[in-house]
Amino acid sequence: SYEVTQPPSVSVSPGQTASITCSGDKLGDKYACWYQQKPGQSPVLVIYQDNKRPSGIPERFSGSNSGNTATLTISGTQAMDEADYYCQAWDSSTVIFGGGTKLTVL
Amino acid sequence: QVQLVQSGAEVKNPGASVKVSCKASGYTFSSYDVNWVRQATGQGLEWMGWMNPNSGNMGFAQKFQGRVNMIRDTPTSTAYMELSSLRPEDTAVYYCARGRAITVTPKQYYYYDLDVWGQGTTVTVSS
Repeated sequence: SYEVTQPPSVSVSPGQTASITCSGDKLGDKYACWYQQKPGQSPVLVIYQDNKRPSGIPERFSGSNSGNTATLTISGTQAMDEADYYCQAWDSSTVIFGGGTKLTVL
Repeated sequence: QVQLVQSGAEVKNPGASVKVSCKASGYTFSSYDVNWVRQATGQGLEWMGWMNPNSGNMGFAQKFQGRVNMIRDTPTSTAYMELSSLRPEDTAVYYCARGRAITVTPKQYYYYDLDVWGQGTTVTVSS
């Protein structure tokens, strides 16, 4: 079965750029999306179809997907961006989640 | 606004079944799949399956085959997830989420995401 892999944790200083990767075999041939989840809250879709932002998501969130890797980029990271982030793909009529990445802003 | 509202917390004995509801509002219920995702404390998101409210078709993660059922009540725009033969490791927050599909894409690859989520239902399995 298809799998996608994320780093368990990423750290970034306030105002800097954070990059979170999601790796899978020929992931660039498929689509990826990204969810943000803060403690005690439901996940929120922040990037869909590789690089599109839903209404209400700040412009500092962007995405890309090529080769075997999809990347979520947060420019000018703010303290409020500290959260868990999950990538998701679709394969064989199945939703595939990455294991999640804890983003720490310090 | 588009919203999914789930039923309240449940406490079950091992071996029992649990049924969680998910009431949709703000959109045409039959036009989007309903997915179920669970999350144990401190763990990641685990997808369980999807149901198409229009056709009744379903798809499940292999791990839950034979133990999960998904039902819809179209007149009330409510979806249900029933999990049987509960064990302590089923203790988790269970989410319903609207499945959004885009079939015609530049990559000629089917696109699917979960664009609206319920608030979650805590299910505790303990004797």
